[in-house]
Amino acid sequence: SQQGEEDPQALSIQEGENATMNCSYKTSINNLQWYRQNSGRGLVHLILIRSNEREKHSGRLRVTLDTSKKSSSLLITASRAADTASYFCATASGGSNYKLTFGKGTLLTVNP
Amino acid sequence: DADVTQTPRNRITKTGKRIMLECSQTKGHDRMYWYRQDPGLGLRLIYYSFDVKDINKGEISDGYSVSRQAQAKFSLSLESAIPNQTALYFCATSVYGRSYNEQFFGPGTRLTVL
Repeated sequence: SQQGEEDPQALSIQEGENATMNCSYKTSINNLQWYRQNSGRGLVHLILIRSNEREKHSGRLRVTLDTSKKSSSLLITASRAADTASYFCATASGGSNYKLTFGKGTLLTVNP
Repeated sequence: DADVTQTPRNRITKTGKRIMLECSQTKGHDRMYWYRQDPGLGLRLIYYSFDVKDINKGEISDGYSVSRQAQAKFSLSLESAIPNQTALYFCATSVYGRSYNEQFFGPGTRLTVL
């Protein structure tokens, strides 16, 4: 079963605009992670936010976490055509031997 | 100089054939995972291993088996392939106690079962 559910499923924007993707989940978590996947390739870890954190930044990425609403958002600022990819949230739960449960992803297209 | 490698990268096989997908890593990580990805369904965990002597079923283990031959190698087998096992398969690694289980993915194996 899917733990994280991303919204929207697809997003198309122009270069320079900001892109916001959301993730909702159902059970308590240790942390939440965002991954990026270029078409047909392996996933690449972008950023991790712990359950006791509310916001985190990495370059043009900003992630927020609201554990009361069981939701997270990923903001990519000043998007570039090279940001075109699928973005997945993954939740980690289950104590010290936790594993990740991935959502279905948001396909972001950045038009030049 | 890929840290996580998968072989083969592409495979076409027929129903009923036995298939093995291999994963090797040079990251020195103790934890390894196998996922499958289907369009619109995201990644689903098939099997995972926290060390050489520890193998665990994931969300969708039926029809699959694994072998952890060494810390660096984790193989996935389809004993008798069927068409609905056509998918993109990923191996991933992580290390306990660091980065809160950030995972590192291989490039994937595209498997087609006819």
